[in-house]
Amino acid sequence: GIQVEQSPPDLILQEGANSTLRCNFSDSVNNLQWFHQNPWGQLINLFYIPSGTKQNGRLSATTVATERYSLLYISSSQTTDSGVYFCAVGTSGSRLTFGEGTQLTVNP
Amino acid sequence: GAVVSQHPSWVICKSGTSVKIECRSLDFQATTMFWYRQFPKQSLMLMATSNEGSKATYEQGVEKDKFLINHASLTLSTLTVTSAHPEDSSFYICSAIRAGYNEQFFGPGTRLTVL
Repeated sequence: GIQVEQSPPDLILQEGANSTLRCNFSDSVNNLQWFHQNPWGQLINLFYIPSGTKQNGRLSATTVATERYSLLYISSSQTTDSGVYFCAVGTSGSRLTFGEGTQLTVNP
Repeated sequence: GAVVSQHPSWVICKSGTSVKIECRSLDFQATTMFWYRQFPKQSLMLMATSNEGSKATYEQGVEKDKFLINHASLTLSTLTVTSAHPEDSSFYICSAIRAGYNEQFFGPGTRLTVL
């Protein structure tokens, strides 16, 4: 099956800093989603981005499908951004394979 | 839009009992729903895919007789953990997609503890 690698596994920032999270995948995809899992376990949809670039407030994402990677940018980080960020990809049908996640901690 | 609910949020049961978890799409019709399991500090692992009115498709290594899935309507799927044991303790999360779309929306999860 498809392999999904996220980096870095852990990231600690000071409030106000910017960061980039990376997701590499091993095969062509027809679905790529970024999620934020909050401390209660809820997965929040950030982006549906199998290709191209999208922005939503302080967050933006870019997927370069031909080179099999996606980037999530977080600007001016806030303590409420803390949590685990997951990248998940789909190759056929609608099944998703999740990466191992990036644990982000934003300190005040 | 695209809200998915789960019930219960958490459940504690004795070993050997069965537990049913409900997943509902509140504001859309979900042709396909998915069930995932997440152990502490780990990623989500897909257990099964369910389509309304048909049998679920289970991932390799998932016991279909232990994890019974019923997708009875376009807004409801249920997961029943039969004869639960302590090793079944986990966080169970469902997701759903709308017809013609690929994006999955997730429920808030159900934390199962088997004593």
